[in-house]
Amino acid sequence: SQQGEEDPQALSIQEGENATMNCSYKTSINNLQWYRQNSGRGLVHLILIRSNEREKHSGRLRVTLDTSKKSSSLLITASRAADTASYFCATHVKGETSGSRLTFGEGTQLTVNP
Amino acid sequence: DGGITQSPKYLFRKEGQNVTLSCEQNLNHDAMYWYRQDPGQGLRLIYYSQIVNDFQKGDIAEGYSVSREKKESFPLTVTSAQKNPTAFYLCASSIIGREVGQPQHFGDGTRLSIL
Repeated sequence: SQQGEEDPQALSIQEGENATMNCSYKTSINNLQWYRQNSGRGLVHLILIRSNEREKHSGRLRVTLDTSKKSSSLLITASRAADTASYFCATHVKGETSGSRLTFGEGTQLTVNP
Repeated sequence: DGGITQSPKYLFRKEGQNVTLSCEQNLNHDAMYWYRQDPGQGLRLIYYSQIVNDFQKGDIAEGYSVSREKKESFPLTVTSAQKNPTAFYLCASSIIGREVGQPQHFGDGTRLSIL
């Protein structure tokens, strides 16, 4: 089964509202990352949070990490139609023999209606 | 501008045919990756390479092969043994630094279909 599972699978909101997406994982991690994918394009890295961090901000993005619950959330504030995309979490699992390998979740499809 | 270039954007495969997807990066990254994405799903790792002339199988390597003869290039061959090759294929790269799990940079993908 997937290391990372996003919730909800799909989210539809109005422009200006906040969007919250959640990611749960199963094993201990070194870091957790969030990526964005526009339709038919590659993924773009948004933000990385380390296992010893609890919260991180980048512009309109806020990420939290709760290692006791093995979960993370991505909050996009004051959403815009241009935020419409799929959002994926990815983890680097502690003990992973490859220093670079990430495990991706199945994503949340966000639709922001103008 | 540094980045990752995947070609072609669209590719069609006939029955019994091998096809090769190109991935080139000019970011001077050591690590490169190939993922498969099926509609509405996440990314599954096919192969990855952390250094020239070395690569490792990912979770779904059967029916695929790769080579890493140059740092900049990591082509993926979808062989006739891959019975369900229709998917979106993404190539990525990253640095290998002191900190593990570095962010990955992605190309814009190749969409492979069966004729």
